[in-house]
Amino acid sequence: DAGVIQSPRHEVTEMGQEVTLRCKPISGHDYLFWYRQTMMRGLELLIYFNNNVPIDDSGMPEDRFSAKMPNASFSTLKIQPSEPRDSAVYFCASSSAGTGRKNTEAFFGQGTRLTVV
Amino acid sequence: GEDVEQSLFLSVREGDSSVINCTYTDSSSTYLYWYKQEPGAGLQLLTYIFSNMDMKQDQRLTVLLNKKDKHLSLRIADTQTGDSAIYFCAESISNNDMRFGAGTRLTVKP
Repeated sequence: DAGVIQSPRHEVTEMGQEVTLRCKPISGHDYLFWYRQTMMRGLELLIYFNNNVPIDDSGMPEDRFSAKMPNASFSTLKIQPSEPRDSAVYFCASSSAGTGRKNTEAFFGQGTRLTVV
Repeated sequence: GEDVEQSLFLSVREGDSSVINCTYTDSSSTYLYWYKQEPGAGLQLLTYIFSNMDMKQDQRLTVLLNKKDKHLSLRIADTQTGDSAIYFCAESISNNDMRFGAGTRLTVKP
């Protein structure tokens, strides 16, 4: 397996534009997580899915952020409209059987570096 | 508190030991993790410790867990320049959430 695949690796967009980040989890993993990393706030959990169903979206900062998982092999994180303070690295991660039971490692993608100007 | 807390920066000389400290939030956390993030890359699991253990050693890495104080530490012996990275402490909490610290940026000087 190629691991968690995110695209694009880099995105530069103008304020007000819509941004869509994509993630392909590891095949067979039933949990998918979206994180945001900034220097000021470190790594923050935005939302996670179990079996394609959003379980906890309390970390989503505003209504401008939305995430979907239409099937087990694909998820999107959308920001509409984007603002400069959304600039960050966005990570997708997947794991099997959650992270609260046994030793189930979360595997991270390479991240998407978003710059909103 | 509600946050997993770590110091943001640590600088050591090559060959010295590095100790990265973390305070976590949930006394019922089952697993505690250390992740490593190298420049331009995602996070990779470095090591983990189960909550009923006090210590775990893996080559140059030693993890110490103090459940009473909810304190976790990572010691890297004989630190090398290749160890320069951001190290994240994380806990798994009961609702299958994983909570991360902000990360400690380790700089190793030659």
